Amino acid sequence: SQTIHQWPATLVQPVGSPLSLECTVEGTSNPNLYWYRQAAGRGLQLLFYSVGIGQISSEVPQNLSASRPQDRQFILSSKKLLLSDSGFYLCAWKSPLAGDTGELFFGEGSRLTVL
Amino acid sequence: GQNIDQPTEMTATEGAIVQINCTYQTSGFNGLFWYQQHAGEAPTFLSYNVLDGLEEKGRFSSFLSRSKGYSYLLLKELQMKDSASYLCAVMDSNYQLIWGAGTKLIIKP
Repeated sequence: SQTIHQWPATLVQPVGSPLSLECTVEGTSNPNLYWYRQAAGRGLQLLFYSVGIGQISSEVPQNLSASRPQDRQFILSSKKLLLSDSGFYLCAWKSPLAGDTGELFFGEGSRLTVL
Repeated sequence: GQNIDQPTEMTATEGAIVQINCTYQTSGFNGLFWYQQHAGEAPTFLSYNVLDGLEEKGRFSSFLSRSKGYSYLLLKELQMKDSASYLCAVMDSNYQLIWGAGTKLIIKP
């Protein structure tokens, strides 16, 4: 069966510090991978998605970046965090065989607080 | 612009029925999803509608009217574990998911 895992689950970082969130998927090949941010009282915001190694599409201009160094690994990074980067970050995957309307499977989430 | 509207919060009684509405205005339509999200956890898939009508899955049903830009999620025989947020999301003409802010459902004994 397929599983998705992201870490860390919780982190508190000072403004201006770097960030690295990691996500891995097991049990599937060539998944479509996504990074979302969920702010309180707002819908999920798509940050990045990837359809293959080294292929990253950015949806929102910001101080965040994403990388996909391996087929089932997706990393969200920042060189200098802002207060506005606080939120709940969710990694998700979808099978490319499911077509464009396939369901998303989410990781456990990472709650980031920037102070 | 694109917009998904759903009530912020609803309260219902254990054992009862509740209907959570979702209206949308999007550039194109390629299906509507409902997800459940317990506090502090990740969303999990509940249902998908692309054609008009009702889709039933156990205690949960989802309805779609494309002409009205409207969907609802119906939860029957409510249990305490159904206390969660319910997210409505629409896939637009570019196959991008547009998410509502979610409806927090509170179940009382």
